[in-house]
Amino acid sequence: QQQVKQSPQSLIVQKGGISIINCAYENTAFDYFPWYQQFPGKGPALLIAIRPDVSEKKEGRFTISFNKSAKQFSLHIMDSQPGDSATYFCAASTGSTLGRLYFGRGTQLTVWP
Amino acid sequence: NAGVTQTPKFRVLKTGQSMTLLCAQDMNHEYMYWYRQDPGMGLRLIHYSVGEGTTAKGEVPDGYNVSRLKKQNFLLGLESAAPSQTSVYFCASSRVGVSNQPQHFGDGTRLSIL
Repeated sequence: QQQVKQSPQSLIVQKGGISIINCAYENTAFDYFPWYQQFPGKGPALLIAIRPDVSEKKEGRFTISFNKSAKQFSLHIMDSQPGDSATYFCAASTGSTLGRLYFGRGTQLTVWP
Repeated sequence: NAGVTQTPKFRVLKTGQSMTLLCAQDMNHEYMYWYRQDPGMGLRLIHYSVGEGTTAKGEVPDGYNVSRLKKQNFLLGLESAAPSQTSVYFCASSRVGVSNQPQHFGDGTRLSIL
């Protein structure tokens, strides 16, 4: 049973465009929602994270939008650049899961010039 | 500042062989995790540890064993490798696991089982 569902599986965006990746969850006990970025040949690295007490968090060109009632959250990458080409994973965890993260299946983003 | 180091980086095994993957972290983290990454499947948790001498099963533990004899090291063992275990294996660590502590990942071990 997949705890976090992520879409799309792959995404191609033109340079300067907006990239949007969506995730949905069922477990209402989740209270931490990070996004990880992974470049080829490297391990995932934390990009940005949000708690459910806020509806949006922005860091530079990256924004998380969170809809608690719909149990959905999304990553928006504004002014997408070729250097943003990577695989993105959403994840979720609760305070009771001893740090355990439940990952989505990933989105491979390609930004072409 | 090394962070999380995984050895080896690449390995090819024959079916039935055994091997151990080593993960070392220098951040004094309590929690450590082993994941496998397969195309279209994301990151799946194999085993994890909440402290020295403790381990627990994750989502896909069958065919793997782990040990955490020292706080900084977390070993993943394959007793009898099978082709289905061909994957990229990632180790991660985090501070005491309140839900907002990020996991720090190594760069992976690429394992092929022939």
